[in-house]
This record gives sequence, C-alpha cells and structure tokens, in this order.
Amino acid sequence: DVKVTQSSRYLVKRTGEKVFLECVQDMDHENMFWYRQDPGLGLRLIYFSYDVKMKEKGDIPEGYSVSREKKERFSLILESASTNQTSMYLCASSRGQGAGNNSPLHFGNGTRLTVT
Amino acid sequence: AQKITQTQPGMFVQEKEAVTLDCTYDTSDPSYGLFWYKQPSSGEMIFLIYQGSYDQQNATEGRYSLNFQKARKSANLVISASQLGDSAMYFCAMRKNYGGSQGNLIFGKGTKLSVKP
Repeated sequence: DVKVTQSSRYLVKRTGEKVFLECVQDMDHENMFWYRQDPGLGLRLIYFSYDVKMKEKGDIPEGYSVSREKKERFSLILESASTNQTSMYLCASSRGQGAGNNSPLHFGNGTRLTVT
Repeated sequence: AQKITQTQPGMFVQEKEAVTLDCTYDTSDPSYGLFWYKQPSSGEMIFLIYQGSYDQQNATEGRYSLNFQKARKSANLVISASQLGDSAMYFCAMRKNYGGSQGNLIFGKGTKLSVKP
C-alpha cells in the first residue's frame, strides 16, 4: 500500500512565524501535491511538483512556497504565517504522466494548522 | 475552466438502503477522469472509484458504483446497502491537465452523508 506521511497531525503557530509542513511518500511517485481544505470550499490546490526540484503553482499559492529536494519528500512553507492560513493541509502523491488518467491521488492524514 | 459541482451539502440515509450522491462536471477536454473519495471524521482521504471519459461501462467497486452520464456531464456515486461506517464526507473530483503535466485533481465542495441506524 502507498503510504503518505505528514509529519504533524496538529500544529499551533503564532502569526508571523515561518512554518514548515513536511510530507514523505514511499512509493516512488513522481507527482506530489499540497492541498488546503476549508469547510464549504472543498480542497484547493496550493502547489504541486512533478519531479525533483520542479514545482508549479496551484490555484491559491499566495503566502506559500514549496521545496522538493528529494523525490520522496515535499515540503510546504508558510513564509510568515497569518490567521487566514488556519486550515487543514493535505499532502498527496501519484504516479507520473505516463501512468494514465486513472492513477488516483494518495493522501496523507492531514495537518490541522492553527495560527494565532 | 474545469469545474466540479456537488449540490448536496448534506444527506441522510437509512442503514441498509441505497443512496445517490450527485456530481456534475464541466470540461471541454475530450479525455478526462472522474474520481470519488471518502473522508471520514478522522480526516484521511480514501479513494473509492474511478471512471474514465472513454469507458463504455459504469465503474463498480464492491458496494460503490458510478452512474456516468456523459452527455449530461454527471458522475453520480451510488452506495448500495448503506452501513453506519459510510457516514463521512464524499468528494467528487476530476483529473485536470495542468501546465502541461497531468496529475492534479480538482475537487467539488463535498457532500456529508449521515447513515441512520
């Protein structure tokens, strides 16, 4: 089974802090994603990466950056946390483009971040 | 722009009955994939079922089936013989070509299903 592990289940940070959310997958997947989930809004894509050191902006990249130095690890960085970044953050991975349309995303358990 | 619409914020179903969760989508791409995920209160997203735009038959996975009506752009999830453990949020999603790289899914806002004993 694919395992996607997010380093923290719950996190509380102060406004202005730099925050790192870590995600590791163990199935040699090319693609990795960071989504944000808010009630009534569903999941919205922040950033994704289809290869080491490659990244593309999603729908809501403002206030975030990412790092992918190794294939298995994808980090989400909040440069200066703000209260409107309080949310559930979900990391996911999937096989690459050649795998076809039916390759699902495999998700971690999520990190619930509270910024005070 | 591609879009997924789930019009039912919440639904109730009696245990052992069948339930249909609605999903409509909008895309101009001829090739696309449709997914359903379940999210229990614990938070993990569980992949349930997939339907490809060129698939001739509706997808089935155990008690889950997908009622795919391409002309109407709908991909409703049918859960047969509901169980208490089916109580969860359900998300419909579509694979999107993004920046030349396939992979990303766009999600609907979800439907919260509650199964009554």
